[in-house]
Amino acid sequence: NAGVTQTPKFQVLKTGQSMTLQCAQDMNHEYMSWYRQDPGMGLRLIHYSVGAGITDQGEVPNGYNVSRSTTEDFPLRLLSAAPSQTSVYFCASSYGGTLYNEQFFGPGTRLTVL
Amino acid sequence: SQQGEEDPQALSIQEGENATMNCSYKTSINNLQWYRQNSGRGLVHLILIRSNEREKHSGRLRVTLDTSKKSSSLLITASRAADTASYFCASFLIIQGAQKLVFGQGTRLTINP
Repeated sequence: NAGVTQTPKFQVLKTGQSMTLQCAQDMNHEYMSWYRQDPGMGLRLIHYSVGAGITDQGEVPNGYNVSRSTTEDFPLRLLSAAPSQTSVYFCASSYGGTLYNEQFFGPGTRLTVL
Repeated sequence: SQQGEEDPQALSIQEGENATMNCSYKTSINNLQWYRQNSGRGLVHLILIRSNEREKHSGRLRVTLDTSKKSSSLLITASRAADTASYFCASFLIIQGAQKLVFGQGTRLTINP
């Protein structure tokens, strides 16, 4: 199993550009989520999904869109990048469609918005 | 303020010593999870303790949970250089039917050879 994979590992954008961060898992996990990690802030939940076709907002959803057309994939779209979105983004998944169980994290995408 | 707050923010010890990290939270939880993050990597799950458990062990790790004090601690015994990492607690709670997993800011642990 590859676990949770994320692409790209690094990305530099200009303000106003859009892009999609990819996340995939091969563990047949129902629950998937996106977090951002900023210095001194811990991890903050952006969006999550409890299964294919179902998504919901987390703590900091503004400026981001998600979709879940398959169990395996959960892409995160930045609609119009802003410097405040400079961060490290982590995708995570867990079985059982719940946060109750341990989360499996991807390696992260480091995004810089100029 | 953060649901989970960790103490200390940074800890530096000699190899072989024990390391203790603490996590406090504000509202009732269903479980509390500990994760490790090596520099530049994703988080790795270490141990999960349920709200009705008081202590749990996994190898050199020991986690305690005191729901009356709303706190948890992670003890790493006989530390090794490879234990150098940041450690995060995450409290799982349900508020108005919505599940939340709230991470603390982390403790940065350095093991000196």
